[in-house]
Amino acid sequence: EVQLVQSGAEVKKPGESLKISCKSSGYSFTTYWIGWVRQMPGKGLEWMAMIYPGDSDTKYSPSFQGQVTISADKSISTAYLQWSSLKASDTAMYYCARRVGAAVINFDYWGQGTLVTVFS
Amino acid sequence: QSALTQPASVSGSPGQSITISCTGTSSDVGGYNFVSWYQQHPGTAPKLMIYDVTNRPSGVSHRFSGSKSGNTASLTISGLQAEDEADYYCSSYTTSSTLGVFGGGTKLTVL
Repeated sequence: EVQLVQSGAEVKKPGESLKISCKSSGYSFTTYWIGWVRQMPGKGLEWMAMIYPGDSDTKYSPSFQGQVTISADKSISTAYLQWSSLKASDTAMYYCARRVGAAVINFDYWGQGTLVTVFS
Repeated sequence: QSALTQPASVSGSPGQSITISCTGTSSDVGGYNFVSWYQQHPGTAPKLMIYDVTNRPSGVSHRFSGSKSGNTASLTISGLQAEDEADYYCSSYTTSSTLGVFGGGTKLTVL
């Protein structure tokens, strides 16, 4: 059974760093892209970035390029999304998801989401 | 502002059919058969309902179908059920630097 399990909710202060995780199981981690999607409170979905764990190739949406960094550790089938300096506007639910097929945003399995709250 | 335009809300009665539209341009929806649809119930992760315009993933009810005409894709739900009440998002490949884009979402209310 394919599963993506994300790390727990985080409460941080502006300026702090953060790294959240997404552990995959039930399939070959290195042969599927993993994407990250943001959902701000009461708002819609936004594609952020994706990584191919097989060779660590990455693609970023221009809106998030330079704002976040994605990475993956093949040895533990885990993808990461990190911030070096959080802002209040980073408060959101973040989902990881497995990409299938040719379309960039075609995610068949999703993590449960990680809620990130940033406030002073 | 989302690159793909969806109606903010639609509604229907149980048993009826409804259609949600997703309008883009020739650079995204109109130019490629890479439109997906997602269903999201409150407090849960999105679920893929349709991919590549018309294809249903295994396990998705046949009541859900997708189509496209020009720059507008559509999701049709037939035989509406209470459990279909959710937010629905379209997405598409795009030739812009973003590569992929979501619609703004449509809230479906089952009356």
